Amino acid sequence: EPEVTQTPSHQVTQMGQEVILRCVPISNHLYFYWYRQILGQKVEFLVSFYNNEISEKSEIFDDQFSVERPDGSNFTLKIRSTKLEDSAMYFCASSERLAPGSQETQYFGPGTRLLVL
Amino acid sequence: KQEVTQIPAALSVPEGENLVLNCSFTDSAIYNLQWFRQDPGKGLTSLLLIQSSQREQTSGRLNASLDKSSGRSTLYIAASQPGDSATYLCAAGDTGGFKTIFGAGTRLFVKA
Repeated sequence: EPEVTQTPSHQVTQMGQEVILRCVPISNHLYFYWYRQILGQKVEFLVSFYNNEISEKSEIFDDQFSVERPDGSNFTLKIRSTKLEDSAMYFCASSERLAPGSQETQYFGPGTRLLVL
Repeated sequence: KQEVTQIPAALSVPEGENLVLNCSFTDSAIYNLQWFRQDPGKGLTSLLLIQSSQREQTSGRLNASLDKSSGRSTLYIAASQPGDSATYLCAAGDTGGFKTIFGAGTRLFVKA
């Protein structure tokens, strides 16, 4: 069964460094998402992406963050100048389309655990 | 601003019991409502998705209902099993489905 994959599974970085989290969505999916979950807290929406542009973003997704689909398979989240409070699990998700039916279902990757020291 | 609340925060039941998990949302103009399962340290697995025009969805022992007017959704689990132990998350799809707001989840423990 197709699945969303994410790399790396764990990332440790120093405060102020840039990190890039990578995701490979399911191949026929058109909508992509990033979420984060700080330990013990809710899953928080960061950004959605469709047709090579951001569709929606949350207040969390400020200029420190950027997303990109550099090729036909990868979807990346870049965090510039990381802060301690960026430490969290970052989940990528994809859905086939936003139209009535199960195609709206979001499929999540296993996550990347980011630790900023 | 959409807010999603789940009650109870935690629930412990004996195996075989039927149970109901509750979810409420503040803005009834949702695009869809999804229920997910999250196992410790793992990603999220979609269980059921209810479109805004629907009232319920069923998959095996799971049934989810949606009442937009009252801002509520419930997840019914029949004949619970120890393997059902996990955190169940409710998520409201907003603004055409491009933004999804999650509740804090209900942590379920099914005792054998």
